[in-house]
Amino acid sequence: GESVGLHLPTLSVQEGDNSIINCAYSNSASDYFIWYKQESGKGPQFIIDIRSNMDKRQGQRVTVLLNKTVKHLSLQIAATQPGDSAVYFCAETGGANSKLTFGKGITLSVRP
Amino acid sequence: EAGVVQSPRYKIIEKKQPVAFWCNPISGHNTLYWYLQNLGQGPELLIRYENEEAVDDSQLPKDRFSAERLKGVDSTLKIQPAELGDSAVYLCASSKGGAAYEQYFGPGTRLTVT
Repeated sequence: GESVGLHLPTLSVQEGDNSIINCAYSNSASDYFIWYKQESGKGPQFIIDIRSNMDKRQGQRVTVLLNKTVKHLSLQIAATQPGDSAVYFCAETGGANSKLTFGKGITLSVRP
Repeated sequence: EAGVVQSPRYKIIEKKQPVAFWCNPISGHNTLYWYLQNLGQGPELLIRYENEEAVDDSQLPKDRFSAERLKGVDSTLKIQPAELGDSAVYLCASSKGGAAYEQYFGPGTRLTVT
């Protein structure tokens, strides 16, 4: 059977360090981008979003950066904690009635 | 506020058997989504409802999958007959007003077809 989907990229960080999770999106017409966190056995949980007319947005301990020139999105987590361990997905959409398209997940593993 | 509720949480069936998943969206959310999530992948939209109407079912394999949202609240997703490749997590999400970026996801139903 297919095995590509089983080998999620993994980012391992030390507790207390900052984490940077990167995502390349595909549609230059997308105008809304979202980061989701998904813990085992749960659905994706909204973390932070950003519109295409912005290049940076900050939340509590998290910052999203958007580079439209190279279609790149990143999520920065400050002072990473064990509770941040999860799979992270970026998603893009073209607006209210457009479909939400998810990227491939990245596993964040926090070492105590 | 209660979140999106899905049941069952886990289901194991033999291939060729039917299976159904149930979703209760957040109160007041008129838009409901069903997604399929394969291991290690992001969710993929199967169908989107605006109230009772399926407004986007282009990704729903209609030969074996069906969905309904009677009365515009709860929804059921059915597979008949199930195939081995249907093993995945089926997620339900809802939003108020149809904004894709304001979706709230349920915990999902993990289906295993043997």
